[in-house]
Amino acid sequence: EVQLLQSGGGLVQPGGSLRLSCVASEFNLNNYAMHWVRQAPGKGLEWVSGIGSVSGTFYADSVRGRFTISRDLSKNTLYLQMNSLRVEDTAVYYCARKGLYGPRVYFDHWGQGTQVTASS
Amino acid sequence: IVVTQSPATLSVSPGDTATLSCRASQSVSNNLAWYQQKPGQAPRLLVYAASIRATGVPARFSASGSGTEFSLTISSLQSEDFAVYYCQQCETWPTFGQGTHLEIK
Repeated sequence: EVQLLQSGGGLVQPGGSLRLSCVASEFNLNNYAMHWVRQAPGKGLEWVSGIGSVSGTFYADSVRGRFTISRDLSKNTLYLQMNSLRVEDTAVYYCARKGLYGPRVYFDHWGQGTQVTASS
Repeated sequence: IVVTQSPATLSVSPGDTATLSCRASQSVSNNLAWYQQKPGQAPRLLVYAASIRATGVPARFSASGSGTEFSLTISSLQSEDFAVYYCQQCETWPTFGQGTHLEIK
């Protein structure tokens, strides 16, 4: 069964940094594009970042220059390095797999989510 | 592309049919998905390419539309169907609607 197991969230002061991890099971990251999606408290879903199965990284305007997406294929793990965190980055962060439905980005499997809180 | 869902809340009795709407600010062709999210859980993909049910999704879920207007219909509502539903366009980088909360009447 495909699983995405997340870790690394927590409470950080504005301006601080956190790194999120997402370990994939029962599939290889090198065969799939992967993304991060967040959900602020009581709000809807917001796409944050993505990484292609072969190459390429992509970011929402709200996080470009502050967040970095990466992966370690030897560990089958996806990461999101978050720097210069702002109060408005507070959210549950999900890693999500892009399904093999052609070039369009549909998310067919999701991690359990991890809470990130930027507050003083 | 801005995606707008209506209504924000829909109250329906078990066994009845619910129809949820989603509108895109410009044409997304058929590049639209629907997700279901229950409290404390991650979203679950229900429909992709506007009308194709994802693996394991019951046939009581049906979806249609193209261009800017889309709908998700859930017939014979079961207790487990009461949740928040999001649509997501992928004509460009993904954007989601604000969600429709389907509640028990």
